[in-house]
Amino acid sequence: ETGVTQTPRHLVMGMTNKKSLKCEQHLGHNAMYWYKQSAKKPLELMFVYNFKEQTENNSVPSRFSPECPNSSHLFLHLHTLQPEDSALYLCASSQDGAGGPYEQYFGPGTRLTVT
Amino acid sequence: TQLLEQSPQFLSIQEGENLTVYCNSSSVFSSLQWYRQEPGEGPVLLVTVVTGGEVKKLKRLTFQFGDARKDSSLHITAAQPGDTGLYLCAGKGSNYQLIWGAGTKLIIKP
Repeated sequence: ETGVTQTPRHLVMGMTNKKSLKCEQHLGHNAMYWYKQSAKKPLELMFVYNFKEQTENNSVPSRFSPECPNSSHLFLHLHTLQPEDSALYLCASSQDGAGGPYEQYFGPGTRLTVT
Repeated sequence: TQLLEQSPQFLSIQEGENLTVYCNSSSVFSSLQWYRQEPGEGPVLLVTVVTGGEVKKLKRLTFQFGDARKDSSLHITAAQPGDTGLYLCAGKGSNYQLIWGAGTKLIIKP
């Protein structure tokens, strides 16, 4: 595998379900990101991890819970979601440093539908 | 709050035509990136512009950063169906995270 991979690619879940999204980067980067992409809206940055430490949490509801066990893996745990949470969830990584961020490399995304 | 507005939101043109899309803000950005996102994929970086007035060319794509570093444009010459996609601009914000525009959805008809 190369680049940034995400699984699953598609997910349909009920509002009472618990599921997890997985992201893995094979680029040796030190920063990983979760974004939410909704139609006709800017990408919304949800969480940032730098060297496995969470550095940003942009007022994301607690029904979204990130986990970064090492610098190559990132998870997004989902529970009791709402229909308005339906969107494309993108994972990205970058080599962060002074004056960063630099180029971000994205995975293909998980298309989430909450019923 | 730093915002980036992209225009037009949607553009559909014939193959061979030229086009320009815009990314505007009232805020100054230290750098600005352009990405292209194809259906079913994540965004892919096309270019980063850093200096006010900078012009960068990538084959038939010409990117310009405004003199005041508040706006940018992307011009495509002789568009081809392979140029179809969502074009996103992103500026480096004051907290060093990227501020994203909503994108221009471009369709090039054969």
